[in-house]
Amino acid sequence: DQQVKQNSPSLSVQEGRISILNCDYTNSMFDYFLWYKKYPAEGPTFLISISSIKDKNEDGRFTVFLNKSAKHLSLHIVPSQPGDSAVYFCAASALGGSEKLVFGKGTKLTVNP
Amino acid sequence: EAGVAQSPRYKIIEKRQSVAFWCNPISGHATLYWYQQILGQGPKLLIQFQNNGVVDDSQLPKDRFSAERLKGVDSTLKIQPAKLEDSAVYLCASSRQRQRSNSPLHFGNGTRLTVT
Repeated sequence: DQQVKQNSPSLSVQEGRISILNCDYTNSMFDYFLWYKKYPAEGPTFLISISSIKDKNEDGRFTVFLNKSAKHLSLHIVPSQPGDSAVYFCAASALGGSEKLVFGKGTKLTVNP
Repeated sequence: EAGVAQSPRYKIIEKRQSVAFWCNPISGHATLYWYQQILGQGPKLLIQFQNNGVVDDSQLPKDRFSAERLKGVDSTLKIQPAKLEDSAVYLCASSRQRQRSNSPLHFGNGTRLTVT
């Protein structure tokens, strides 16, 4: 069963506009969420994270919003740039045990000049 | 700081053959992970080491996959014998401590395995 779902395989936006990537989770024990970005032929790189005690975390052009009641989080990129074109993975972990990350399938973002 | 190093970058083998991948984590990182990423899927944790001890190997197919981290530094992942469904990118990652708060994972560029 997929505990972290990214239902949009791809997203295309114009340079300068906002990109919104969505992620849903089913495991109510998840309390820490991350976004990773991946370019072709490279490993994923950490982008931003949020703890369940917060509902928003901001880092420059990137903001992550968490709605615990809906088990939903989103990544906003404003303004979008062509260099943001990549696959974005949502990941989650639960406190205790190995605290391993469970990844979604990813959303491919294309920012058009 | 130097990143996570993995080799080889690509490997093509026939089914039932064996293969090994090598990973050197970032210096000082106590936790090392092996992930499997099948095309179109997100990375899936195979095994997690804390220093040279195994923390989680619940998703490692132990009848064919093995991994070791001697001396708590570099690590090898082996598949013997390989199956067609093992075709994937194998990613190694490391973190200073377990992945929470200020200790995100740093990934290597992966080894792309093709089993024919």
